Amino acid sequence: DPKIIQKPKYLVAVTGSEKILICEQYLGHNAMYWYRQSAKKPLEFMFSYSYQKLMDNQTASSRFQPQSSKKNHLDLQITALKPDDSATYFCASSQDRDWGGSEQYFGPGTRLTVL
Amino acid sequence: TQTVSQSDAHVTVFEGDSVELRCNYSYGGSIYLSWYIQHHGRGLQFLLKYYSGNPVVQGVNGFKAEFSKSDSSFHLRKASVHWSDSAVYFCAVSAPSGSWQLIFGSGTQLTVMP
Repeated sequence: DPKIIQKPKYLVAVTGSEKILICEQYLGHNAMYWYRQSAKKPLEFMFSYSYQKLMDNQTASSRFQPQSSKKNHLDLQITALKPDDSATYFCASSQDRDWGGSEQYFGPGTRLTVL
Repeated sequence: TQTVSQSDAHVTVFEGDSVELRCNYSYGGSIYLSWYIQHHGRGLQFLLKYYSGNPVVQGVNGFKAEFSKSDSSFHLRKASVHWSDSAVYFCAVSAPSGSWQLIFGSGTQLTVMP
């Protein structure tokens, strides 16, 4: 069974619309993350959460808003979508901070295309 | 500021060959180093990590990496590659304090020819 679920797998949106990317992890981890991968920037950190609290935000735009309704959920809401937002978005999780988050487990990704 | 450099964008070898994928980092303090593998169209999978102790760390599927403080390097090696090892390999660093974000290198595409 998959340990980290991301929904949907593929997503097509029009410019200016709003979408929510879903992430659930069943590894019992207390830290969760979002990363973005595109042709322009191979792997880019976006957010980190621990026990449902925001730890770090490296996303310049407020159009990206993580939402954590449960400890094992970290969704990503993206508003006013732009073509430059087209990328694969990966959710990840890790057990604790003792290893500096170096051992993270990634979901399969949501591939977002903005037309 | 932490940076990670993977000098080889592409490496091609034959099945059964040994391979070394290079990673150099820049950071002034203590860091964690790790390697990840990404098969085409998939998410990343953790291979191994290092923080302190024995500079040679063993990972899954016969991979190992060696830390060198003097060279600021953390190269990944495998003695005998299999076609299924074809993938993109990412080196990453993270700091003991802070947000635990992984900072990735640009990746090395490893192609194993039959």
